[in-house]
Amino acid sequence: GAVVSQHPSRVICKSGTSVKIECRSLDFQATTMFWYRQFPKQSLMLMATSNEGSKATYEQGVEKDKFLINHASLTLSTLTVTSAHPEDSSFYICSVPGQRAVLAKNIQYFGAGTRLSVL
Amino acid sequence: GNSVTQMEGPVTLSEEAFLTINCTYTATGYPSLFWYVQYPGEGLQLLLKATKADDKGSNKGFEATYRKETTSFHLEKGSVQVSDSAVYFCALTSNDYKLSFGAGTTVTVRA
Repeated sequence: GAVVSQHPSRVICKSGTSVKIECRSLDFQATTMFWYRQFPKQSLMLMATSNEGSKATYEQGVEKDKFLINHASLTLSTLTVTSAHPEDSSFYICSVPGQRAVLAKNIQYFGAGTRLSVL
Repeated sequence: GNSVTQMEGPVTLSEEAFLTINCTYTATGYPSLFWYVQYPGEGLQLLLKATKADDKGSNKGFEATYRKETTSFHLEKGSVQVSDSAVYFCALTSNDYKLSFGAGTTVTVRA
């Protein structure tokens, strides 16, 4: 069964609105989760590291105020795309690292992704 | 920093053909290497992995060997099926668990 649940799978919104994407770790607690962005026919680019109990760590070039990340609990991280514009349209994917004691070390488990379309 | 260079696609094959997707990497230290697969309409799934030099990862008939001397992790399958049609990503991670991905290779297998 799924280890990571990501919701919604698809969202269409108007320009200027905000969209929240949820990522849940179903099988184990996760102090760290990752958010990636995938453009059509391109690879995944790491956006940020979500840290439970502290601020997210953003990769170079990613706007913190545009992409708000909240690691609300040990099983939930949310990514909010604020004031979305058409250029924010993309496929957003979260991942959870495997835990040493429970699953193989260094493996990441991915959500099914969220396709965001901003009109 | 870490980077992954992956053979560009798309690749189109006939069923039962031999598949190779080249992957080379640049990394500090001793990274773990992965192949992930993304089937149409689905999220990424781990296909196989190798965590140290000369390790061979294998799954579903696919294999890849961690070659430190050539910094490579080429993916191979001896006889592909239509169900192998997907996008394949080579990736690596160091101790911080951050994954660096290759550009992805789209493979289409025709019956």
